[in-house]
Amino acid sequence: DVKVTQSSRYLVKRTGEKVFLECVQDMDHENMFWYRQDPGLGLRLIYFSYDVKMKEKGDIPEGYSVSREKKERFSLILESASTNQTSMYLCASAWGMAAEAFFGQGTRLTVV
Amino acid sequence: GEDVEQSLFLSVREGDSSVINCTYTDSSSTYLYWYKQEPGAGLQLLTYIFSNMDMKQDQRLTVLLNKKDKHLSLRIADTQTGDSAIYFCALSRWGQFYFGTGTSLTVIP
Repeated sequence: DVKVTQSSRYLVKRTGEKVFLECVQDMDHENMFWYRQDPGLGLRLIYFSYDVKMKEKGDIPEGYSVSREKKERFSLILESASTNQTSMYLCASAWGMAAEAFFGQGTRLTVV
Repeated sequence: GEDVEQSLFLSVREGDSSVINCTYTDSSSTYLYWYKQEPGAGLQLLTYIFSNMDMKQDQRLTVLLNKKDKHLSLRIADTQTGDSAIYFCALSRWGQFYFGTGTSLTVIP
């Protein structure tokens, strides 16, 4: 079974802190994604990566950056956390151009 | 991006059928998906349909695709309390996935 693992289920951080959200997949997928999920807004794409060291901005990249140094790991970085970044963050991975996306369990981040 | 729209809420009685609807704007997607999200969890793929198909049935689930109207639906027969969750419609195009807002299904015992 494909496994996508996010490093934390719940995080509480202070405004202005630098926050790292880690995601690891074990199926050698090329494509990895970070989404945030907010009630009534569905999933919005923050960044995606289609190869090591490659990244593309999604729909809402402002305030975020990403890192993909190894194929299996895709990190989301909040350079200076703000309260409007309180949300559920979902990582996903997929193989190829049109295959199913597999999701991690999500990280609920609260910025106070 | 792609616009994918769903109703936010649906309530049904246990044993009835549920129909969750989705409309989208771009018809060039290759695959269309239905994902389920249970409370506190990530998304799990329920079923998918190729864009050249009109219907797909998988046990209690029936997916209907109307390409002319750009409308996708998911029918759950004999809905159970365990079906209570958020259901997301999604499309893929060129390796990217576009999700609807999600429909929160509540099953009333």
